[in-house]
Amino acid sequence: AQRVTQPEKLLSVFKGAPVELKCNYSYSGSPELFWYVQYSRQRLQLLLRHISRESIKGFTADLNKGETSFHLKKPFAQEEDSAMYYCALFPAMNYGGSQGNLIFGKGTKLSVKP
Amino acid sequence: DTGVSQDPRHKITKRGQNVTFRCDPISEHNRLYWYRQTLGQGPEFLTYFQNEAQLEKSRLLSDRFSAERPKGSFSTLEIQRTEQGDSAMYLCASSPAPQGTDTQYFGPGTRLTVL
Repeated sequence: AQRVTQPEKLLSVFKGAPVELKCNYSYSGSPELFWYVQYSRQRLQLLLRHISRESIKGFTADLNKGETSFHLKKPFAQEEDSAMYYCALFPAMNYGGSQGNLIFGKGTKLSVKP
Repeated sequence: DTGVSQDPRHKITKRGQNVTFRCDPISEHNRLYWYRQTLGQGPEFLTYFQNEAQLEKSRLLSDRFSAERPKGSFSTLEIQRTEQGDSAMYLCASSPAPQGTDTQYFGPGTRLTVL
């Protein structure tokens, strides 16, 4: 079954500390993986996707197929990083006609203390 | 604001009533998605459209739920004979191209409370 697991409901760190939000997935094919973020009173928005291999707001995430993980990392947390973070999987069986749904984890609330 | 919009933002209804939500996607986005989010959970897929065609429905979408996108622009999600278990945030998202891996842009959601 396709599944995304985020083991931590809440992660609390101090400003300037490193952050790692864990995400593990279950999928037999080659997944597309995403991190979405929801700041307080804002809508859900894309933070980054593994295919882009880019760093957004200092966050990076590496797909580890051996460990079926896509952990989100930032070396120095900022207070404005406090938000709800969702890892999501798109079961990309084939392009141009594949199923359209993202499979989300339950989310991790990141709290960065001053 | 040219983002995805949803109306209403909040809806309180009594059990057994019908409710309808509207979603306006970003202009010219081909794909439109509906998700449901309950407390402590991530968004769960309900259904999606490519233009006016409804291509997939989740098993979460019981026969009391129906969605339409008649002209390939806005979409409506109707819940008939609402139950307390339908209380949730209903999210709409759109993406620009047929390939499903394109970024999905989310609306603010409609929060439904069934009394």
